[in-house]
Amino acid sequence: GAVVSQHPSWVICKSGTSVKIECRSLDFQATTMFWYRQFPKQSLMLMATSNEGSKATYEQGVEKDKFLINHASLTLSTLTVTSAHPEDSSFYICSAGLSRDLPDTQYFGPGTRLTVL
Amino acid sequence: AQSVAQPEDQVNVAEGNPLTVKCTYSVSGNPYLFWYVQYPNRGLQFLLKYITGDNLVKGSYGFEAEFNKSQTSFHLKKPSALVSDSALYFCAVPKDTGFQKLVFGTGTRLLVSP
Repeated sequence: GAVVSQHPSWVICKSGTSVKIECRSLDFQATTMFWYRQFPKQSLMLMATSNEGSKATYEQGVEKDKFLINHASLTLSTLTVTSAHPEDSSFYICSAGLSRDLPDTQYFGPGTRLTVL
Repeated sequence: AQSVAQPEDQVNVAEGNPLTVKCTYSVSGNPYLFWYVQYPNRGLQFLLKYITGDNLVKGSYGFEAEFNKSQTSFHLKKPSALVSDSALYFCAVPKDTGFQKLVFGTGTRLLVSP
């Protein structure tokens, strides 16, 4: 099946620094990728949709200047958490679908755990 | 708005017994429903989906789900649980007609005891 990877798997940073998380589709091209955030014992919350070659679209309540998304190629999307603060600590997950318009399955990366000190 | 609800935070079952993880949905139009499983330190894995057709959907790892329109439910089932089935299970529904954005339930932790 389709494989999505994320790097790093975990990161610890100081408050005020920026952190970049990479999401790669390893064996397929993904024109669209999605970024989710998962809080402990809570569901996944969709943050934004990453579109190759265009600006990302953010869900209501998500700060686009805080969470910068770049979809540089058909296999790579990056999420940069800028000026991170402890409340940004979370588990960030990306996903990609194989088909743009069909009720499709999503293939998820293993997630990145961010801890901001 | 499209939504799903998982009424149980946790389900406990003994190995070898049947298991059910509940999910109810609220959608406009035709429902498209998904189940995913999340193992510790691993990404969500697709189990099965309902698009149309038979109400009983068979998926990965011996799981199946029953679509019930009158009860607006899509419960996940397995006839005989394994300890290795212990994980976090999410049902999901597309957020809108674009299908790919998913709205997840709050998740149900399944604990299978030996």
